[in-house]
Amino acid sequence: DIQMTQSPSSMSVSLGDTVTITCRASQDVGIYVNWFQQKPGKSPRRMIYRATNLADGVPSRFSGSRSGSDYSLTISSLESEDVADYHCLQYDEYPYTFGAGTKLELK
Amino acid sequence: EVQLVESGGGLVQPKGSLKLSCAASGFDFNSYGMSWVRQAPGKGLDLVADISSKSYNYATYYADSVKDRFTISRDDSQSMVYLQMDNLKTEDTALYYCTVSTAYWGQGTLVTVSS
Repeated sequence: DIQMTQSPSSMSVSLGDTVTITCRASQDVGIYVNWFQQKPGKSPRRMIYRATNLADGVPSRFSGSRSGSDYSLTISSLESEDVADYHCLQYDEYPYTFGAGTKLELK
Repeated sequence: EVQLVESGGGLVQPKGSLKLSCAASGFDFNSYGMSWVRQAPGKGLDLVADISSKSYNYATYYADSVKDRFTISRDDSQSMVYLQMDNLKTEDTALYYCTVSTAYWGQGTLVTVSS
């Protein structure tokens, strides 16, 4: 199975920060990586699809990038509504696998 | 507007059964694969099962942890997707989400397996 090693597991952040979360794939998954935001008690929301594409309605301060087997979600100028859990997903091959998640907390 | 509404969760004893349902609307259901993803309390997300569209012969996938116990199915005439869960184990306790291509998600239905 493809492992998606997500880091950090948690992060203490301040409003206005630039935040980067990374998932490293254990084998090539091409562009087939999505990023999700999940707030407490809510369903996941797709933020980025195919590694770099912004999903509909997602603010432009969110971006996705790829460098080799490393996939990153960057939030520029963090706002209070961005404090949430974030998950990556590879869907290149079954079993599709999620990262373990990153929890953003305000300092 | 895409809507996915899950139902059917509840408390069940180990080795029991439950059938989850997901009612879909707001998109061309017949053209999309559908998935069930679960999230155990305080844990991450796991793909449980998915089913492709008729164009791909309704191909199914199951996580190893549920293979031979869970069955995913769909009714295109009703825009419904189902997850029949048999021989439930305590480790199946989770919030079960219905999703279409992970682009849209339901609100989830809670399954608790406990004696």
